[in-house]
Amino acid sequence: KQEVTQIPAALSVPEGENLVLNCSFTDSAIYNLQWFRQDPGKGLTSLLLIQSSQREQTSGRLNASLDKSSGRSTLYIAASQPGDSATYLCAVRPFSGTYKYIFGTGTRLKVLA
Amino acid sequence: NAGVTQTPKFRILKIGQSMTLQCTQDMNHNYMYWYRQDPGMGLKLIYYSVGAGITDKGEVPNGYNVSRSTTEDFPLRLELAAPSQTSVYFCASNRQEMNTEAFFGQGTRLTVV
Repeated sequence: KQEVTQIPAALSVPEGENLVLNCSFTDSAIYNLQWFRQDPGKGLTSLLLIQSSQREQTSGRLNASLDKSSGRSTLYIAASQPGDSATYLCAVRPFSGTYKYIFGTGTRLKVLA
Repeated sequence: NAGVTQTPKFRILKIGQSMTLQCTQDMNHNYMYWYRQDPGMGLKLIYYSVGAGITDKGEVPNGYNVSRSTTEDFPLRLELAAPSQTSVYFCASNRQEMNTEAFFGQGTRLTVV
């Protein structure tokens, strides 16, 4: 059974710091992995989608990598800003059976001004 | 661009009452999903649909029902509300192709008292 884990559950960093969020999954048979951002009381916003054949994707200050063989993905945020404060969720879309995404429990990030 | 729209945003129900959570998308997506998010937990799939007239159970379907009469709409029905159904509910959609982003609604915060 596919399981997705995100560590740490919470993180506080000073503004300007570069940071890495981690996501691990137990089964490498996936179509893709997607990173989302969730602001308090809001829905999920897609940040980056990495297909299983890709190693990384970049959007602005964000870079996501995927190592399928080790079951890991990282989200790198460069020069963090207070506006980056949010919960970051990763989700994998497995080959098997259904069409659903399986989510991690998220990392709650606070960037201090 | 409306995207995925959920109504209502908030609702308080008494035990045993019923209600329908509405979800509509204007992107002509075939795939639609209902998830629930409990504090400190990842999103759990309740039901999903791969097209009009086709629905299937996810991980936690008990106590819920869905229908998909059109491509645009995917309502979630709670027949006999229970305190265990207190949660935040998210509707999501994506295109048929496997490596496409999922789009989420803003969520419905439901409290059963």
